[in-house]
Amino acid sequence: KAGVTQTPRYLIKTRGQQVTLSCSPISGHRSVSWYQQTPGQGLQFLFEYFSETQRNKGNFPGRFSGRQFSNSRSEMNVSTLELGDSALYLCASGAPSGGWADEQFFGPGTRLTVL
Amino acid sequence: KQEVTQIPAALSVPEGENLVLNCSFTDSAIYNLQWFRQDPGKGLTSLLLIQSSQREQTSGRLNASLDKSSGRSTLYIAASQPGDSATYLCAVFNNAGNMLTFGGGTRLMVKP
Repeated sequence: KAGVTQTPRYLIKTRGQQVTLSCSPISGHRSVSWYQQTPGQGLQFLFEYFSETQRNKGNFPGRFSGRQFSNSRSEMNVSTLELGDSALYLCASGAPSGGWADEQFFGPGTRLTVL
Repeated sequence: KQEVTQIPAALSVPEGENLVLNCSFTDSAIYNLQWFRQDPGKGLTSLLLIQSSQREQTSGRLNASLDKSSGRSTLYIAASQPGDSATYLCAVFNNAGNMLTFGGGTRLMVKP
């Protein structure tokens, strides 16, 4: 069974631009979560989607948004990029049964660099 | 607000040693606790998941324990190998929502 895939793996953008990251969960998984990892703040939760609905959202500004499609694939978008948005963005999938707090499986991440 | 702490932040041991990594959390109302491994620049690999009703889980040379009432978990690695060198992260699912709260990680180096 294929794992969680994320595209692209690397991105370089300049301040003010916007970016879209994509995540395909493990087949059969219906929940997709996004996390930001930086050296200073560690891993922080962005948001979680289940069956195309955002179930939970972390403490990030409105520039960070996401969505989930009917096939469970998810995208996150960051608008008006700032230098501080440079990070590794990780996607996790879980909840094959629709439950709560299922084991999470992470993708390889997208490394975003903002110049 | 849940806070997760991992001690030590870094650890260097010779090959073959048994070692213990520590994780503590402030809110004992958790659903489960998950241990991960992260290699430099890579994603997270799930090692063990302990449900809140369980005391421990084992996988190969790894054993994780959970004491929910005291807010502690330990990851025991037996007979460490250079290939175990990585950052180990613990994370908890708590009642605040379907999200993981992570510790800062322990960076482990196993020297041949």
